[in-house]
Amino acid sequence: QIQLQQSGPGLVKPSQTLSLTCAISGDSVPSNSGAWNWIRQSPSRGLEWLGRTYYKSKWYNDYAVSVKGRITINPDTSKNQFSLQLNSVTPEDTAVYYCARGSFGSGMLGYWGQGTLVTVSS
Amino acid sequence: EIVLTQSPGTLSLSPGERATLSCRASQSVSSSNLAWYQQKPGQAPRLLMYGASSRATGIPDRFSGSGSGTDFTLTISRLEPEDFAVYFCQQYAGSPMYTFGQGTKLEIK
Repeated sequence: QIQLQQSGPGLVKPSQTLSLTCAISGDSVPSNSGAWNWIRQSPSRGLEWLGRTYYKSKWYNDYAVSVKGRITINPDTSKNQFSLQLNSVTPEDTAVYYCARGSFGSGMLGYWGQGTLVTVSS
Repeated sequence: EIVLTQSPGTLSLSPGERATLSCRASQSVSSSNLAWYQQKPGQAPRLLMYGASSRATGIPDRFSGSGSGTDFTLTISRLEPEDFAVYFCQQYAGSPMYTFGQGTKLEIK
């Protein structure tokens, strides 16, 4: 059974960097059947996909245009986890952030982390 | 960007009734890449259906999905008390990679 456990601070100051980690159990970050995603949810923007990392002979990343240039998603094979960094945050980045596993092919998001409410405020 | 529009925004029904939720895409979506999720307060979304009509593991058969092209439907044949929640549709492999509908809230009448 795949489980995702998120960690990271719930409060970030404007202009600083939001950092979250998602620890994986029951699968490996260089999975041959899935990709590792970050998604956020807010009342104003709904569910918004931010990006993903996956391994197919080498590591790849895809990022949403809305956050491109500010976002980095990195795998950590030594700890079997992946991370999200979002730079130069503003109050509009306040949301519940989720990590999720997406299957290749269908893209279904079958496994989700518990969610982390991140508030951007001074 | 593929925009998914769900209707109705809120659906008020009683346990035992049939629920029909709609998801319309702004351009054609492959059925293979259309999914539905259920979300309860304070929880992450839970995968219900994938490939438009396949139930995820552990999902009861009162849930069914159908549709193709730009019109997709989630049907709950007989509502149980635990089915009252928010439902989202989602497409994959467009640009951006994933987009979600705004959700339909299914509430007890």
